[in-house]
Amino acid sequence: GENVEQHPSTLSVQEGDSAVIKCTYSDSASNYFPWYKQELGKRPQLIIDIRSNVGEKKDQRIAVTLNKTAKHFSLHITETQPEDSAVYFCAASMNYGGATNKLIFGTGTLLAVQP
Amino acid sequence: DAGVIQSPRHEVTEMGQEVTLRCKPISGHDYLFWYRQTMMRGLELLIYFNNNVPIDDSGMPEDRFSAKMPNASFSTLKIQPSEPRDSAVYFCASSLPPTGGDEKLFFGSGTQLSVL
Repeated sequence: GENVEQHPSTLSVQEGDSAVIKCTYSDSASNYFPWYKQELGKRPQLIIDIRSNVGEKKDQRIAVTLNKTAKHFSLHITETQPEDSAVYFCAASMNYGGATNKLIFGTGTLLAVQP
Repeated sequence: DAGVIQSPRHEVTEMGQEVTLRCKPISGHDYLFWYRQTMMRGLELLIYFNNNVPIDDSGMPEDRFSAKMPNASFSTLKIQPSEPRDSAVYFCASSLPPTGGDEKLFFGSGTQLSVL
């Protein structure tokens, strides 16, 4: 089955700096890669996702890149702000024609943005 | 819609007791998932349902765990007997089918389970 590894487990940056979180996946058939943000004591929420037919996607200060050959994808946050502090989870799944929606998550990255 | 609703928010029980967690998915969502969150393992998928039918329960750790979905608006996750190592936050999530390109998971607020 699919296995997703995520690094680093903790990341501390200064406000305004960039943050990068990296994930690798094992199943080359995976084709959907979302990122979820979980603030302290809250539920995880989707912040951005990418499909295997594109290499990069941006949404304001966040971007995700995908390298299918190497089977890894990354989350990039620019101009970090204190409110970006949270746990970030990457995930991977194989979705074919609605046959499945099984998301496997990485172990999470605790991002701390220091003011 | 009020979103995915889980109950109870917190559960404290003693080892050996039966624990039942409940979930009401968003109306119209065909998929329902149960995840367990711990510091060591992050978010682990336990089981998921499609149209009330269990599709993959390979993540259920032991026979002590069971899940049901008797109808489209209700699911339970039961642990019997409970053990201290079951202590975790249990999340329920629901989603639309991936065919429409909108398979975003909507999580409930979670149940914090403590087994003493």
